[in-house]
Amino acid sequence: KQEVTQIPAALSVPEGENLVLNCSFTDSAIYNLQWFRQDPGKGLTSLLLIQSSQREQTSGRLNASLDKSSGRSTLYIAASQPGDSATYLCEAAGNKLTFGGGTRVLVKP
Amino acid sequence: GAVVSQHPSRVICKSGTSVKIECRSLDFQATTMFWYRQFPKQSLMLMATSNEGSKATYEQGVEKDKFLINHASLTLSTLTVTSAHPEDSSFYICSARQGADGELFFGEGSRLTVL
Repeated sequence: KQEVTQIPAALSVPEGENLVLNCSFTDSAIYNLQWFRQDPGKGLTSLLLIQSSQREQTSGRLNASLDKSSGRSTLYIAASQPGDSATYLCEAAGNKLTFGGGTRVLVKP
Repeated sequence: GAVVSQHPSRVICKSGTSVKIECRSLDFQATTMFWYRQFPKQSLMLMATSNEGSKATYEQGVEKDKFLINHASLTLSTLTVTSAHPEDSSFYICSARQGADGELFFGEGSRLTVL
């Protein structure tokens, strides 16, 4: 059974600092891994999708890496802004979809 | 990007009534849609996988007679919470997959409050 863990559960940083969010998964038989952002009381917004054959994906200030052999993915957010405050979820897609518990991020002005 | 619309965004109902939530993929055909519920400060819990034209596959512990899912077309799936009770109050979110192993797109969620 796939288990997805996100560490830390919460993170508070001053504006401008880089963010590093970690996601680990136990079953490497995935066909993709996706990072999402969720604002309070809202649905999820897709940030980056990494196919199993890829090592990383980049979009603007966001960069996500994937290492299937070690069961890890990392989301980097450069030069954080208060608007980046949200909960970030990673999801591993194999036979089933499995979400991590999320990392709540607070970027202080 | 692809858009998934969910309706209603908020619903309040009396205990014992049934509530229907719709999930539509607006600009793509979704052969598979997923339904989740989320309790406060917790992650998403997958409830069921909905495949167009066939019965939904429910996750362990989810009552299929309580949470009726219908995926009648490639762009619409519905979740009906039957005989709702206060413990069913939650945030329900749907998602749709673009392609067999493509990106997931999520609806905005529906907050159900059962009085």
